[in-house]
Amino acid sequence: EVQLVESGGGLVQPGGSLRLSCAASGFTFSSYRMSWVRQAPGKGLEWVANIKQDGSEKTYVDSVKGRFTISRDNAKNSLYLQMNSLRDEDTAVYYCARDALPHDCWGQGTLVTVSS
Amino acid sequence: DIQMTQSPSSLSASVGDRVTITCRASQGISNSLAWYQQKPGKAPKLLHYAASRLESGVPSRFSGSGSGTGYTLTISSLQPEDFATYYCQQYNSIPYTFGQGTKLEIK
Repeated sequence: EVQLVESGGGLVQPGGSLRLSCAASGFTFSSYRMSWVRQAPGKGLEWVANIKQDGSEKTYVDSVKGRFTISRDNAKNSLYLQMNSLRDEDTAVYYCARDALPHDCWGQGTLVTVSS
Repeated sequence: DIQMTQSPSSLSASVGDRVTITCRASQGISNSLAWYQQKPGKAPKLLHYAASRLESGVPSRFSGSGSGTGYTLTISSLQPEDFATYYCQQYNSIPYTFGQGTKLEIK
């Protein structure tokens, strides 16, 4: 069974940092691009970033460029999102998703709250 | 960036009704269009990809169509479990963008 499990969310002050993780199982992780997608409370979905299978290409939505970094460790079947300089508007549930174009599998999400 | 405009934003319907949700892209997306269903507190679930291809395990009462810049999701006969929020997404070009969602409620 394909499974994605996010962790690392929590409460952080504006300007702070947080690192999200996503543990993948049930499929050949190194064969797929992966994405992070977020959803602010009561709002719609926003694609945040994705990463190529070998980590050589990374793309971001403009609002997080220079602040967020997506990475992966294929040996550990894990995806990461390093979030720096966090802002109130980054408050959201963050989902990792497998990129079979489109996102065919999603994790359950992890909540990030940016607040003082 | 490609803007995705979804309509209506909300819809009230009854079990057994046929409903259609529309998604319009600000430029052509070559049928790189997906539909997702999301229930409260849950992750989105893929329904359709490539505009009209049904994801494995999704009931055939869901159908997708369209081309160019205009796409539709139709549910032929609403079931109680279909009341949820639906999103379209273009994956033709980065950044992948979603419609604002359509909340389907019980009348």
